[in-house]
Formats: sequence, structure tokens, C-alpha cells
Amino acid sequence: GQNIDQPTEMTATEGAIVQINCTYQTSGFNGLFWYQQHAGEAPTFLSYNVLDGLEEKGRFSSFLSRSKGYSYLLLKELQMKDSASYLCAVRQTGGFKTIFGAGTRLFVKA
Amino acid sequence: DTEVTQTPKHLVMGMTNKKSLKCEQHMGHRAMYWYKQKAKKPPELMFVYSYEKLSINESVPSRFSPECPNSSLLNLHLHALQPEDSALYLCASSQIWDPDGNSPLHFGNGTRLTVT
Repeated sequence: GQNIDQPTEMTATEGAIVQINCTYQTSGFNGLFWYQQHAGEAPTFLSYNVLDGLEEKGRFSSFLSRSKGYSYLLLKELQMKDSASYLCAVRQTGGFKTIFGAGTRLFVKA
Repeated sequence: DTEVTQTPKHLVMGMTNKKSLKCEQHMGHRAMYWYKQKAKKPPELMFVYSYEKLSINESVPSRFSPECPNSSLLNLHLHALQPEDSALYLCASSQIWDPDGNSPLHFGNGTRLTVT
């Protein structure tokens, strides 16, 4: 079967660091993506990992361990505008099919 | 602003109506997608077109009929829908191949569909 698991909700304080975890079991793997989705808006691309290790992009970093089927998204120096849903997504072998996790709703409080 | 444009933003239709959702992108992407998203749920893949040909149909009921007239346009024709088809319909596009191996999906803002 195919499964992508993320926590449903997280709350963090402005200026802090938060880590959103994702575990996956999918038939075939060709990269893991993180997307941000504000309420009522389209998902927007944040990061991509296909090899093990850490990818850093400004305040956002993403980590992948393929052997463990595990990824996390790290958000630093949280801002109120970071309050959104964060979707973990796995692209399957073949290139066109991307499966999304249910998303983690992050609430950033002052 | 998103580079993938979807129209209309909102659509209310009866179960006997026929309507179409439209999507347009000018990024030169040759893969285009339809996703369906219910509230507080992840996007679910419906269809994929690559080079204007249907590559993936995720066993979607025939009341949804996709069309890709050219490399920039993607339509979704709707007929005899059910109330449970009410959802946000997202169009996305991507490169077929990216030098970085990346090829993320670029989503439009979606059409919020209500079937009465």
C-alpha cells in the first residue's frame, strides 16, 4: 500500500524553530517534495530531496533518509505568515504521479 | 500571483448541468495535471497529460472528461456531477525534465466547485 504520514497540527511561537516530520511508504520513489498551502490558496513548492541529506533554502531546510522512509521540514525564525498547511509529497517512479500526505497545519502564535 | 491560471474561481452547478473548468500556463511546461482537493484533505491526482496526451487516469468517473487542446491549455468537462463531487479542483503543470531533477508542480489557485 501507499502511505504518507504527517502530524495533523502543530503550534509554535513566532521566532522559534519547528520541525515537521513525514514518513512514507510508497511503491517507487523519485523524490520528496514539501509544499506550503495557505487556507483557500494553491500549494506552493518549498523544497525537494531525492538524495539522503539536508537541503537548505533560507529559513527552510528539508532532510531525507530514503532507507528510513523519513523526511522532515525545518522552519527557522518563524513568522506569523508561516501559519499554513505543509504538505509532504512523494513522486513515484515514472515521474508524473505525486502522492500527497494529509498535511500538517502549523499555527504560529505571537 | 500564480503562473497557472484557472477559471472560473467559483462554480455552482446542478446535477444535470454541463460545465467546463479551464487552465492555462505559459511556462512551457509539457506536463499538466488535474487534482481534486476536499476540505482539510490532500490533493488527489485525477489526470495527467504529457505532451498533450493523456498519460494517467486515476480511475476517475466518466462524468469528468479532460481535454488538452494544446501545450498551454487544459480543460475539465463536467457532466451529471453528484453533490459529493463538490471540491476544490486544482490544475498544475511541471517540466517533463528539469536539469536539477526537480520538476515541482506549479499549481493554479483552483476552481471551487459546488454541485447542488
